[in-house]
Amino acid sequence: DTAVSQTPKYLVTQMGNDKSIKCEQNLGHDTMYWYKQDSKKFLKIMFSYNNKELIINETVPNRFSPKSPDKAHLNLHINSLELGDSAVYFCASSQVTPGLYGYTFGSGTRLTVV
Amino acid sequence: TQLLEQSPQFLSIQEGENLTVYCNSSSVFSSLQWYRQEPGEGPVLLVTVVTGGEVKKLKRLTFQFGDARKDSSLHITAAQPGDTGLYLCVWAGSYQLTFGKGTKLSVIP
Repeated sequence: DTAVSQTPKYLVTQMGNDKSIKCEQNLGHDTMYWYKQDSKKFLKIMFSYNNKELIINETVPNRFSPKSPDKAHLNLHINSLELGDSAVYFCASSQVTPGLYGYTFGSGTRLTVV
Repeated sequence: TQLLEQSPQFLSIQEGENLTVYCNSSSVFSSLQWYRQEPGEGPVLLVTVVTGGEVKKLKRLTFQFGDARKDSSLHITAAQPGDTGLYLCVWAGSYQLTFGKGTKLSVIP
């Protein structure tokens, strides 16, 4: 069983469209995250949720809206997609003490905006 | 300013060679983690180091945490093509990870 699963794996869409990426974890973790990896492979946090509550909301355009219907799911909706949104987006989850036990990442969603 | 500086940024070596990757900072950390990311996949946790001076071994990989807990290193002995990937030094703070820019390792058969 996949611990953290994201769908879709690949997403190609036109500028101006609205799209969603879904994430689910079956590890029983309380905290979930969205990270963005740019073309230079640098990973930067976008959002973190703990028990469905937003904990961290980094400087991300408000076109990006996370939604957590329950603690096992964290979805990412993006409105009015722009060329600069092209990147790989990773969902992750962790226990209460990620400093000791680390994060479990999904395999990523490669978003290409054309 | 990057919190975690990794070097080298790129490393291409022949199978069987040894290598060391470094992670440095001016900050003191309660712990540091190392992840490996393979193409098309998410990062996978390799190790967490907590105590200054700590050394942990994972098969051919040796991780060290500096005495002052400001730096860490990853040494790979007799590298194999399966070691190819992006190695990331990471600080796990409250509710977020801070990543170094990574070292992209290519091991040529």
